[in-house]
Amino acid sequence: AQSVSQHNHHVILSEAASLELGCNYSYGGTVNLFWYVQYPGQHLQLLLKYFSGDPLVKGIKGFEAEFIKSKFSFNLRKPSVQWSDTAEYFCAVNEWYGQNFVFGPGTRLSVLP
Amino acid sequence: AAGVIQSPRHLIKEKRETATLKCYPIPRHDTVYWYQQGPGQDPQFLISFYEKMQSDKGSIPDRFSAQQFSDYHSELNMSSLELGDSALYFCASSFLAGGTSYEQYFGPGTRLTVT
Repeated sequence: AQSVSQHNHHVILSEAASLELGCNYSYGGTVNLFWYVQYPGQHLQLLLKYFSGDPLVKGIKGFEAEFIKSKFSFNLRKPSVQWSDTAEYFCAVNEWYGQNFVFGPGTRLSVLP
Repeated sequence: AAGVIQSPRHLIKEKRETATLKCYPIPRHDTVYWYQQGPGQDPQFLISFYEKMQSDKGSIPDRFSAQQFSDYHSELNMSSLELGDSALYFCASSFLAGGTSYEQYFGPGTRLTVT
């Protein structure tokens, strides 16, 4: 079965610091990869997704992620975080011909003003 | 743009009662997913439907059942509620094309509190 791991449970940064959240998955086949964000009290929102093509994907709000197939990784990055980026971030994987999404456990990001 | 609609947004029930959660997918989406997110936990997949048929099943308790209707809306029926059922229940919809389900669009969730 697929599994998704996220490297950090809780990340605390100061504003303007750079961010990288790690995500690794276990499935060996072709996958679609996603990052979702859940702001406090809100539902999950899609940040960015990778299906194929350029492994460097740009999403909303200045986020980007890089798919490294050899490492089974899809790390999320942002060069300069803001206080409003405080949220829970979930990495998710979907098999190319599957329907089920597998979510990682989430990483809580706290940005200090 | 139309989004996934869930109702009710909040629901308070007592132990052993029943609850019905509703999900209305984005128009023309043919697939509905249900997730349960407990306090401090990541969303857990419960069940999904494609074209009104159950397509996949996750960690859905036997006390729960769900179905997708002809208008593609879905209902999650929960019986003999337990305190541990208190959670945020997300519905998501997507369009299944060529065997691949593209990104899911999530609804706002129904927060169920069992007392």
